Amino acid sequence: KQEVTQIPAALSVPEGENLVLNCSFTDSAIYNLQWFRQDPGKGLTSLLLIQSSQREQTSGRLNASLDKSSGRSTLYIAASQPGDSATYLCAVQTGANNLFFGTGTRLTVIP
Amino acid sequence: EAEVAQSPRYKITEKSQAVAFWCDPISGHATLYWYRQILGQGPELLVQFQDESVVDDSQLPKDRFSAERLKGVDSTLKIQPAELGDSAMYLCASSPRRGAYNEQFFGPGTRLTVL
Repeated sequence: KQEVTQIPAALSVPEGENLVLNCSFTDSAIYNLQWFRQDPGKGLTSLLLIQSSQREQTSGRLNASLDKSSGRSTLYIAASQPGDSATYLCAVQTGANNLFFGTGTRLTVIP
Repeated sequence: EAEVAQSPRYKITEKSQAVAFWCDPISGHATLYWYRQILGQGPELLVQFQDESVVDDSQLPKDRFSAERLKGVDSTLKIQPAELGDSAMYLCASSPRRGAYNEQFFGPGTRLTVL
């Protein structure tokens, strides 16, 4: 069974810093990887989706990379803002069309 | 912008009672998913529909959970009887069709508390 791990579990940074969130998965036979944002008590907002054939995707201050062969992905957030405070989840999609999620990284950006 | 709708947003119930959650996917989306997210964990798939048919319910506790999507549009997830361990966020998602390269779009979720 696919297992997804996210490190660190929690992260606090001062406003303006660049930061990297890490995601690793055990089975490299994936179709895509998605990064989500979840605010407390809310649903999931999709941030970026990387197809298995791609190496990275960018949206504004966010950049996600994928190294499928090593089972790793990173989410880079540039010039962090207090509004970026949330839990960030990564999920991989397998041939069964299921999404397997990590447990998330809880980010706090301190003004 | 099209969104996945869910109701209620919050539900408090006592154990052994029945509860039901409703989901309306993005118009035209053929595939619908129900996930359960326990506090501090990532969501886990409960059931997946393609149109009105169940294509994966291997993780659905069928002794107490049921799900239907009668007309292939909106869906209902039911728990009867509810147990304390069912307290969680229940998330609905949809995608245009079943397939490996489809992005899933999530609703706001229903937060269930079982007392």
